[in-house]
Amino acid sequence: SQQGEEDPQALSIQEGENATMNCSYKTSINNLQWYRQNSGRGLVHLILIRSNEREKHSGRLRVTLDTSKKSSSLLITASRAADTASYFCATDAIQGAQKLVFGQGTRLTINP
Amino acid sequence: GAGVSQSPSNKVTEKGKDVELRCDPISGHTALYWYRQSLGQGLEFLIYFQGNSAPDKSGLPSDRFSAERTGGSVSTLTIQRTQQEDSAVYLCASSLVGTSGDNEQFFGPGTRLTVL
Repeated sequence: SQQGEEDPQALSIQEGENATMNCSYKTSINNLQWYRQNSGRGLVHLILIRSNEREKHSGRLRVTLDTSKKSSSLLITASRAADTASYFCATDAIQGAQKLVFGQGTRLTINP
Repeated sequence: GAGVSQSPSNKVTEKGKDVELRCDPISGHTALYWYRQSLGQGLEFLIYFQGNSAPDKSGLPSDRFSAERTGGSVSTLTIQRTQQEDSAVYLCASSLVGTSGDNEQFFGPGTRLTVL
């Protein structure tokens, strides 16, 4: 089964609102990353959080990591129409030989 | 500098034909990855190259799939006797694997393969 599982699968909010997406995983990890994908093509790296970190910020992004619950959340504040995309979490498992295991993604739609 | 490039961007083929997909990683990146993404799904790991080490082929779905990386740079993913279920976007990524274990991957735009 998938290492990373995001929820919700789809999220639709109004511009200016905050968007929260969650990710759960199964095995011990080195780090967890969030990626964004527009129009089903290449992914863009957003943020990486290491297993010994609990929270990280980058601009309007805030990521939390709870290794005891094996879960992470991505918060996008003050959303914009341009944030409309699919968001994926990816884990770099300790035993995973550097390969990333991706979840199914959350499709985020920001309505103007 | 230039990012990861892939070619072709789109490929339409008939069932049973062979296809080759190409990936040019970022110069200096020692690690290269191939993923497959079916419509509306997450990414499925296929294969991973790291320097001169033996590749991790654990994600290849069948023996019809193979990949090579020549000279530690360009990689080719080959699918023989294509089937309709091979239709997907094939994504390549590269990374500069450091000692810290951080593994930010930089993705190419993908090749959309359609098998008729």
